[in-house]
Amino acid sequence: DGGITQSPKYLFRKEGQNVTLSCEQNLNHDAMYWYRQDPGQGLRLIYYSQIVNDFQKGDIAEGYSVSREKKESFPLTVTSAQKNPTAFYLCASSRDRDWGTQYFGPGTRLLVL
Amino acid sequence: DQQVKQNSPSLSVQEGRISILNCDYTNSMFDYFLWYKKYPAEGPTFLISISSIKDKNEDGRFTVFLNKSAKHLSLHIVPSQPGDSAVYFCAARKSGGGADGLTFGKGTHLIIQP
Repeated sequence: DGGITQSPKYLFRKEGQNVTLSCEQNLNHDAMYWYRQDPGQGLRLIYYSQIVNDFQKGDIAEGYSVSREKKESFPLTVTSAQKNPTAFYLCASSRDRDWGTQYFGPGTRLLVL
Repeated sequence: DQQVKQNSPSLSVQEGRISILNCDYTNSMFDYFLWYKKYPAEGPTFLISISSIKDKNEDGRFTVFLNKSAKHLSLHIVPSQPGDSAVYFCAARKSGGGADGLTFGKGTHLIIQP
């Protein structure tokens, strides 16, 4: 069954702590993305990656970091520098760099204790 | 500055009638438009898309219309069903290729009333 998985579904972070959100896809897609959704808002792009070992900042990259060591995986780290991390985080992938249709995972809700 | 705008936060439609969701954009560089459906605490599901070289795309009960001169697109759902109740996001991609992400509107909450 092809798809995108995100784990965990809920994540709690203490003040000053870094946390990493997992995103895995078995769709053989080249491009992967991380978005953030806040209540009443649309999705905002954090980081994206077109190919392995390459990634680019999106509109709201401050306080976040990513890696793309494998085609299937694109983990997002929310660092202590992100002052307002409470949000719903969505990972997506698309077939290749020119393909606009992105497919989304189920999301991870991050809460700060 | 919002480049993709969905001016109706919510829309209520009777079951069986037509639902029309609207979206306006400001960036002339957008060349590909998509509609996503989202339930609470879930990821968005792709519904339908349209390239800027077309003015209409149809898939079952869903039709998207694009008016480039007005920088406006709309999603028509006919007939509306209870399972259509969800938040609908309009999204756009800039021309020139490159997987640099989509720009999303804030969404419209569609409520289908029995």
